[in-house]
Amino acid sequence: QSVLTQPPSVSGTPGQRVTISCSGSSSNIGSNAVNWYQQLPGSAPKLLIYSNSQRPSGVPARFSASKSGTSASLAISGLQSEDEADFHCEAWDDSLNGRVFGGGTKLTVL
Amino acid sequence: QVQLQESGPGLVKPSQTLSLTCTVSGDSLDSGSYYWSWIRQHPGKGLEWIGYIYHSGGTFYNPSLKSRLSISVDTSKNEFSLKLNSVTAADTAVYYCARDQVGFHPKYYYGMDIWGQGTKVTVSS
Repeated sequence: QSVLTQPPSVSGTPGQRVTISCSGSSSNIGSNAVNWYQQLPGSAPKLLIYSNSQRPSGVPARFSASKSGTSASLAISGLQSEDEADFHCEAWDDSLNGRVFGGGTKLTVL
Repeated sequence: QVQLQESGPGLVKPSQTLSLTCTVSGDSLDSGSYYWSWIRQHPGKGLEWIGYIYHSGGTFYNPSLKSRLSISVDTSKNEFSLKLNSVTAADTAVYYCARDQVGFHPKYYYGMDIWGQGTKVTVSS
């Protein structure tokens, strides 16, 4: 059971906008920054978003993220087939004194 | 181009010690610009952060693994290592090493920006 809660799966069609939620609590998302990772099939995770909404260089502007209260969300606009992957959220947890991840969300592009 | 490569046994017997090494190329662990982390992913599951080390040898571990865990660094070889003792089947996972960006306190960090390809470790007799 992951500390951060993500939907197991989401889907969308090419060109569409999809969002992936990440729900936590006051001890993690509510008081700390959230990072997002994209994991393509058979590959290692890749940093997609850091500090709630910052994109590392090279990450397309189609990927955006935000945080409100104890939840965070990742949005992907202009969905492309190559976006099909697992997405993981991550945050620090003050109660556990360590980093925690969500269980991951599988994005399917129909 | 910075690259990380994990190496170590793919099969470990229960109660023994899991040992992995991450060799870094294209960046110097001595530079002190980054921290260096280990993360694992159980089969079909999400990610679990294991811990990290700084070039000086300073470490920070996942509290749930701390009693069994040791991470060390060898700057002369530009590599860092993981040792997890008393393993059980629950430690079966793909283990990744990654370059980490940590601030002045462990809770302030900016993501793991470069990852190794991962190495699968199975705990079984």
